[in-house]
Amino acid sequence: EVQLLESGGGLVQPGGSLRLSCAASGFTFGDFAMNWVRQAPGKGLEWVSTISGSGVSSSTADSVKGRFTISTDNSKNTLFLQMNSLRVEDTAVYYCAKADLFNWGAFHYWGQGTLVSVSS
Amino acid sequence: DIQMTQSPSALSASVGDRVTITCRASERISTWLAWYQQKPGKAPKLLIYKASNLDTGVPSRFSGSGSGTEFTLTISSLQPDDFASYYCQQYNTQRSSFGQGTKLEIK
Repeated sequence: EVQLLESGGGLVQPGGSLRLSCAASGFTFGDFAMNWVRQAPGKGLEWVSTISGSGVSSSTADSVKGRFTISTDNSKNTLFLQMNSLRVEDTAVYYCAKADLFNWGAFHYWGQGTLVSVSS
Repeated sequence: DIQMTQSPSALSASVGDRVTITCRASERISTWLAWYQQKPGKAPKLLIYKASNLDTGVPSRFSGSGSGTEFTLTISSLQPDDFASYYCQQYNTQRSSFGQGTKLEIK
């Protein structure tokens, strides 16, 4: 059974940093792309970032480019999102999701989400 | 970046109704299109991938069609469990994007 468990969310001041983690199990982690998607309170889904199964290629939304970095530790089956220079508008539930292909794909499995609140 | 436009943004319908949600891409994406269902406080759930492929366990009353820039999600006979929000997503490249969502409410 595929399981994705996010952690690392919390309350942070504007300009601060957080590192989200997503622990994966139930599949061969390095065979599939992984993703971060966020949802601001009462809003729709926003794609944030994708990394290939090998970790060699990645893409990041323009809204967070230069501030957020996606990475993986395939030895620990874990996906990360390093978030720097956080802004109030980054407040959202952050979901990790497993794609159905190696480089990118549909998001077949999702974690339960972790809440990031950016406020002074 | 590819923009996804969903319509309608909200829809009221009754149990047993047939409903259709439309998604338009700003450029051609072949059939690299997925549909998700989301209920309040829950993570999204994949319904359809590659425009028309039903994910495992998804009821057959859900169907998807389209290619290029125009796509539809159809629910043939609404059930009480179907009242939720629905999102389309393009994954033509690694730079994905979602539609703004359709909230399906009970009439």
